[in-house]
Amino acid sequence: DAGVTQSPTHLIKTRGQQVTLRCSPKSGHDTVSWYQQALGQGPQFIFQYYEEEERQRGNFPDRFSGHQFPNYSSELNVNALLLGDSALYLCASSAARKATQYFGPGTRLTVL
Amino acid sequence: GEDVEQSLFLSVREGDSSVINCTYTDSSSTYLYWYKQEPGAGLQLLTYIFSNMDMKQDQRLTVLLNKKDKHLSLRIADTQTGDSAIYFCAENFDGGSQGNLIFGKGTKLSVKP
Repeated sequence: DAGVTQSPTHLIKTRGQQVTLRCSPKSGHDTVSWYQQALGQGPQFIFQYYEEEERQRGNFPDRFSGHQFPNYSSELNVNALLLGDSALYLCASSAARKATQYFGPGTRLTVL
Repeated sequence: GEDVEQSLFLSVREGDSSVINCTYTDSSSTYLYWYKQEPGAGLQLLTYIFSNMDMKQDQRLTVLLNKKDKHLSLRIADTQTGDSAIYFCAENFDGGSQGNLIFGKGTKLSVKP
């Protein structure tokens, strides 16, 4: 049973560019959440997708957007990249009405 | 506002017990979690507890919850060098099973041989 997978593993972009990160949830899970983890910090919640809609959103600007597909996989898009967007981006999946979120290995984004 | 706080560092000798502490602020019924993160990796769910419980044990891990003081601890018995990692305490903000997680900054556990 594959766990949560994310691609790519690493990514280097320059300021002003746009980036798309991808996540496939654990088998049987239908909810995907995205988190940003800056160096030396705990993860911070960006948003959560369920039934192809954004269900909850954290304190992140509109430059951060997402999508969930019918197969429950998800994308995180970030426009107009800033140096401060450099971080590890983590995807977590969960099943409806279950208390546990399982995390993928993350995508390390570096903005130069 | 919601906040989860942890001490930043803990150093123990191999074979000793480790106790990692956390305080949280949300007063509603909630789930509380412990995650482990090794260098360059994602987060591994270790265990979780609902706020109507006082204790949960799972092999070498024991979670204690003092709801009155909003204090959560994770005890690792017979700590091994492979337990060296960063441990995150997290609270389910919405108090339900689908809410987002609020994390502490993590406690770096170093295990000396």
